[in-house]
Amino acid sequence: DADVTQTPRNRITKTGKRIMLECSQTKGHDRMYWYRQDPGLGLRLIYYSFDVKDINKGEISDGYSVSRQAQAKFSLSLESAIPNQTALYFCATAAEAGVRNEQFFGPGTRLTVL
Amino acid sequence: RKEVEQDPGPFNVPEGATVAFNCTYSNSASQSFFWYRQDCRKEPKLLMSVYSSGNEDGRFTAQLNRASQYISLLIRDSKLSDSATYLCVVNSGALNFGKGTSLLVTP
Repeated sequence: DADVTQTPRNRITKTGKRIMLECSQTKGHDRMYWYRQDPGLGLRLIYYSFDVKDINKGEISDGYSVSRQAQAKFSLSLESAIPNQTALYFCATAAEAGVRNEQFFGPGTRLTVL
Repeated sequence: RKEVEQDPGPFNVPEGATVAFNCTYSNSASQSFFWYRQDCRKEPKLLMSVYSSGNEDGRFTAQLNRASQYISLLIRDSKLSDSATYLCVVNSGALNFGKGTSLLVTP
């Protein structure tokens, strides 16, 4: 079984709809992250969390919100989706502290906003 | 200026060739450095960390030059399975990802 899972894996939605992307992990890590990846732009950090109820904005948080209600779950919401939020979204986890903490990524969610 | 810069490639090399990728970073206070590998439409996975003294893992060698703020990855005896995008990653408090360098190894 995968250590970091994301649901859904693919989603097509319309402008203005509310969308929630879910991330779950069985690695027991405290730190969780949401990224988006666009062609030619690389991975960009949206939000991150170092513990339950801890929420921090990343590079591109506008238009997104997150919830960390349990150590194993970190959800990303788009309150009113717009076409430029079409992208590949990755969740990642890392163990607490240590500058060499490797990040483990989920398989990604491909979101298309029409 | 972006924090992490990489040549996007693509690098097209024959099997058995040696290929090198370079990466520069802008934050001199950066603490740690990594190379991740990403296959098409898949998640990034850690290939190797990069240490100040340089480090080797099989056919892969990583080097760090703090004075020049420069990281490199050398792949020897390239295999078809090495075809992927290689992401340079720098920890400056948060992980900053380069856009990636695309490698295609051909028969």
